[in-house]
Amino acid sequence: ETGVTQTPRHLVMGMTNKKSLKCEQHLGHNAMYWYKQSAKKPLELMFVYSLEERVENNSVPSRFSPECPNSSHLFLHLHTLQPEDSALYLCASSQDFSYEQYFGPGTRLTVT
Amino acid sequence: RKEVEQDPGPFNVPEGATVAFNCTYSNSASQSFFWYRQDCRKEPKLLMSVYSSGNEDGRFTAQLNRASQYISLLIRDSKLSDSATYLCVVNYGGSQGNLIFGKGTKLSVKP
Repeated sequence: ETGVTQTPRHLVMGMTNKKSLKCEQHLGHNAMYWYKQSAKKPLELMFVYSLEERVENNSVPSRFSPECPNSSHLFLHLHTLQPEDSALYLCASSQDFSYEQYFGPGTRLTVT
Repeated sequence: RKEVEQDPGPFNVPEGATVAFNCTYSNSASQSFFWYRQDCRKEPKLLMSVYSSGNEDGRFTAQLNRASQYISLLIRDSKLSDSATYLCVVNYGGSQGNLIFGKGTKLSVKP
């Protein structure tokens, strides 16, 4: 498999559920990112990891919890989400911060 | 404040037309620039990086004007498959990998 992969592709969860999104990059990149894309809004950066260390948290609510066990894998743990958290969650990676980012196909999340 | 502004469109053009998109950015410290395309309900895909001298890739030409802080994308001989939303992206660099995305310009190429 090549590029950036994400699982699951679709997820429906209740507000009391706990779930995790998974991202894996096969590009040998050093930086990984989580973005949120809601309808009619630009992409919003949520978290940035460089060499497995978190370097950015754009005031994301604590119900979103990232984890980066190694430079190829990134998780987003979800708990007690709200309906307004329904969106497309995109993972991306880049060689370094100045370089272009490559996106995974995203997880379309619906919170009921 | 770091912002990237684009005309949302939609741009409706016939096949074969030439269409141009502009994008302005607010922070002169920005370091690198990109155009991405995003198809409906899909992830953004890198179309091209934008270099100071301008660059061309087939039917696509990107230009950067640092003095005026704008970036352009020109598409010649539009194809039906060019229909998508085009995202202007500015990287402010630093230690945070800070990519700022515009809201995108929607292009619809008609037969």
